[in-house]
Amino acid sequence: KAGVTQTPRYLIKTRGQQVTLSCSPISGHRSVSWYQQTPGQGLQFLFEYFSETQRNKGNFPGRFSGRQFSNSRSEMNVSTLELGDSALYLCASSSTSNPSDTQYFGPGTRLTVL
Amino acid sequence: AQSVSQHNHHVILSEAASLELGCNYSYGGTVNLFWYVQYPGQHLQLLLKYFSGDPLVKGIKGFEAEFIKSKFSFNLRKPSVQWSDTAEYFCAVSARDNNDMRFGAGTRLTVKP
Repeated sequence: KAGVTQTPRYLIKTRGQQVTLSCSPISGHRSVSWYQQTPGQGLQFLFEYFSETQRNKGNFPGRFSGRQFSNSRSEMNVSTLELGDSALYLCASSSTSNPSDTQYFGPGTRLTVL
Repeated sequence: AQSVSQHNHHVILSEAASLELGCNYSYGGTVNLFWYVQYPGQHLQLLLKYFSGDPLVKGIKGFEAEFIKSKFSFNLRKPSVQWSDTAEYFCAVSARDNNDMRFGAGTRLTVKP
């Protein structure tokens, strides 16, 4: 079974631009969660989608948004990029939204904002 | 919301030494507890998790963790580390009823051959 895939793997943007990151979950998984990883703040939960609905949201500004499609693929969008948005963005999928289901992480998208 | 503290930022051990990494959480309700590992250049992987039942949980690669509810702790242990255990270890907690997982800052483990 293929793992969680994220595209692109690396991205360079400038301040003020917007960016869209993509995540394809493991086949059959319907829950997708997004995390931001930085050296200063560590791993922080962004949001979780299940069956095209946002189920949980972390403490991030409205510039961070996401969506999930009927095939469970998910996209994350960051508008008006700031230098502090430079981070590794990780996506994780699980079978359902039940916390007892193991989350499987993808390799991440490394975003650099100049 | 729940939060997690990992007290050791960097631990250096020699092979065959015993390991214990501390993890404390704060949350008033029932929690699910996890340890994840990230080997150099690889994805985050689940080591073990606790939801209910026996508070001593055994995971992959000889790791175990003990949930002590009275201390709000979930420390990770391994009796004898190997060079291949060199990695970053993350403790995480989620409330029982949602998938909002909060991670600790991570502990970098270096095992000297």
